[in-house]
Amino acid sequence: NAGVTQTPKFQVLKTGQSMTLQCAQDMNHEYMSWYRQDPGMGLRLIHYSVGAGITDQGEVPNGYNVSRSTTEDFPLRLLSAAPSQTSVYFCASSYLGVSPGNTIYFGEGSWLTVV
Amino acid sequence: DAKTTQPNSMESNEEEPVHLPCNHSTISGTDYIHWYRQLPSQGPEYVIHGLTSNVNNRMASLAIAEDRKSSTLILHRATLRDAAVYYCILRTASGNTPLVFGKGTRLSVIA
Repeated sequence: NAGVTQTPKFQVLKTGQSMTLQCAQDMNHEYMSWYRQDPGMGLRLIHYSVGAGITDQGEVPNGYNVSRSTTEDFPLRLLSAAPSQTSVYFCASSYLGVSPGNTIYFGEGSWLTVV
Repeated sequence: DAKTTQPNSMESNEEEPVHLPCNHSTISGTDYIHWYRQLPSQGPEYVIHGLTSNVNNRMASLAIAEDRKSSTLILHRATLRDAAVYYCILRTASGNTPLVFGKGTRLSVIA
């Protein structure tokens, strides 16, 4: 059971380039989400999904796209990278509903620098 | 979304108990109170959660006010490894609403 796996762990992009941050979970979780965390700040929700084929915007969705074609995967696409998107990105997943407690599992993070 | 309010920072001496408060005055009847913590350069990790009754696990205790408008995370004996940012969030029983984290409380532990 690998939990929540994010790739890549580190990435440097040039302004204007596009890329995809990958997130996969092997716990059959319905809920998946992406957060960004700027230095010294809290987590801000980018996009989330409550199941395959269903996605919705969070607090800071501009400049990012997501899709959820399978339960396991929830990739985050940066369309045209900007220096303001330099951040650490965390993917998270959980079950829906009360049982087994819908606690949230986080990946280890992806450090992205846009130059 | 129901919101939570936490102090920006707190300090504790090692091996002393720590009480981390969280206010959630707009909590609804089906919202669970969750606590997570984030160690430096790591993703957040689950600490504890509860609905109405106080809860204990190997990491901490959660004390929930009778009116549920506030809660307190209790670390019984702080260690240096407990230095982290602690987040209090509310989650609906269905779990299908966006999870919004605040800035949390940065706990410093002094040896």
